[in-house]
Amino acid sequence: EDKVVQSPLSLVVHEGDTVTLNCSYEVTNFRSLLWYKQEKKAPTFLFMLTSSGIEKKSGRLSSILDKKELFSILNITATQTGDSAVYLCAVENYGQNFVFGPGTRLSVLP
Amino acid sequence: DTGVSQDPRHKITKRGQNVTFRCDPISEHNRLYWYRQTLGQGPEFLTYFQNEAQLEKSRLLSDRFSAERPKGSFSTLEIQRTEQGDSAMYLCASSQPRTSGLYNEQFFGPGTRLTVL
Repeated sequence: EDKVVQSPLSLVVHEGDTVTLNCSYEVTNFRSLLWYKQEKKAPTFLFMLTSSGIEKKSGRLSSILDKKELFSILNITATQTGDSAVYLCAVENYGQNFVFGPGTRLSVLP
Repeated sequence: DTGVSQDPRHKITKRGQNVTFRCDPISEHNRLYWYRQTLGQGPEFLTYFQNEAQLEKSRLLSDRFSAERPKGSFSTLEIQRTEQGDSAMYLCASSQPRTSGLYNEQFFGPGTRLTVL
C-alpha cells in the first residue's frame, strides 16, 4: 500500500533558524510529490516536484526530490513566526490518487 | 472569490442522522477530490471525479459514504447513518491538468467540520 512518512512530526525553532523537513515515500507508479502548508484552515499549495535533482524555490522556501532514494526535503531559511504551520507532503500515483503524510508541525518562536 | 467553496462550514448532527456536504470547485477545474482529515493527521483520500465521472471510489470509508457530481460542476458528499467516528474535517479540492495533460496541483476548499454527537 502506498505510504508517505514525514519527519520530524513536530519541530520548535526560533526566528532566523533554518529548518529541513523530510518526506519519504513508497508508491507504485509515482507521478509527482507535492508540499502543502496548512495553518488553521485548508492546505495551501507550495511546490510540485516531478524530476529528481531540480530544486524548486519560492522566497525562503525550497524543495528537492530524489526519486532514486524516494524522498524529498523542504527547506525554510531565516524562519519567521508566520512560517508556523503544519507542512504536508503528498505523493500522486498514476491512478491519480493522492496519499498524504501526517505532516510536520513547525512552531517558530519569536 | 474564485476559490473552492464548501458548504456548510460546520455541521453538528446526532448519531444515526444523514448529512450532505456541498463543494463548488474552481470553475475551470474538471477534477474534484474529497478528503477526510482527522486531528493530527494528513488528509485521507476518499474519492475523485473527472467532470461527472467518478473515477475512483474504492477508498470511500464504507457504503454509508457516497458522492455525486451530476453535471460536472459542484459535488455532494453524503454520509448516511452517521457514527461518532465520522467526526472529522471533510475537505474538497479541485484541479485542472496542465497543458502537458500529465500533472496537476490541487486547490483546497475551507472544509466542512462535522461533529457527530
